[in-house]
Amino acid sequence: DTEVTQTPKHLVMGMTNKKSLKCEQHMGHRAMYWYKQKAKKPPELMFVYSYEKLSINESVPSRFSPECPNSSLLNLHLHALQPEDSALYLCASSPGLAASYEQYFGPGTRLTVT
Amino acid sequence: GENVEQHPSTLSVQEGDSAVIKCTYSDSASNYFPWYKQELGKRPQLIIDIRSNVGEKKDQRIAVTLNKTAKHFSLHITETQPEDSAVYFCAAIAYNNNDMRFGAGTRLTVKP
Repeated sequence: DTEVTQTPKHLVMGMTNKKSLKCEQHMGHRAMYWYKQKAKKPPELMFVYSYEKLSINESVPSRFSPECPNSSLLNLHLHALQPEDSALYLCASSPGLAASYEQYFGPGTRLTVT
Repeated sequence: GENVEQHPSTLSVQEGDSAVIKCTYSDSASNYFPWYKQELGKRPQLIIDIRSNVGEKKDQRIAVTLNKTAKHFSLHITETQPEDSAVYFCAAIAYNNNDMRFGAGTRLTVKP
């Protein structure tokens, strides 16, 4: 299995809702990432997990809460989001440190906050 | 932190012509430079990468060059085809962290 999968593909949520995005990989990768991508912009790094420990948090608001339950799974819990949080949320994984290895991206979850 | 600049923002070429996209970076510690292609509604996909101990790398119609002294790297696509139409992102990352920074992207259109 050489893919990163993400669910759901699309999500519409209100500003008071709580929802979660899920990412999964079975390539034995030990680093996993969350990126946010607005239309016509590059991906922006949000969080990095290395060996299931949070290693980078790019000053992301606390309404985004990541979780890495095991080496194959990465979640992003969403609560009290704002309309400006609407974007494509991409998950990626790499065998180890990103400086040494290719990052494999999932297809993304397109999030709309109403 | 790292800052990556990418030019041009849009590029239109005729099928069969060559396309060149240029990027500059600011952090001298950066040592890995991947290029991603992203088609509309799809995920970014790595098309080629280069490490700082190499000046040039080629894979069929795609090549990347790196000038460490000037802190710039370029993507070259020869014999372009309509299916090369997409947004291309350069990126840079330092050897000691996981924080990959992307350029703003280049929208390449190959006209048949």
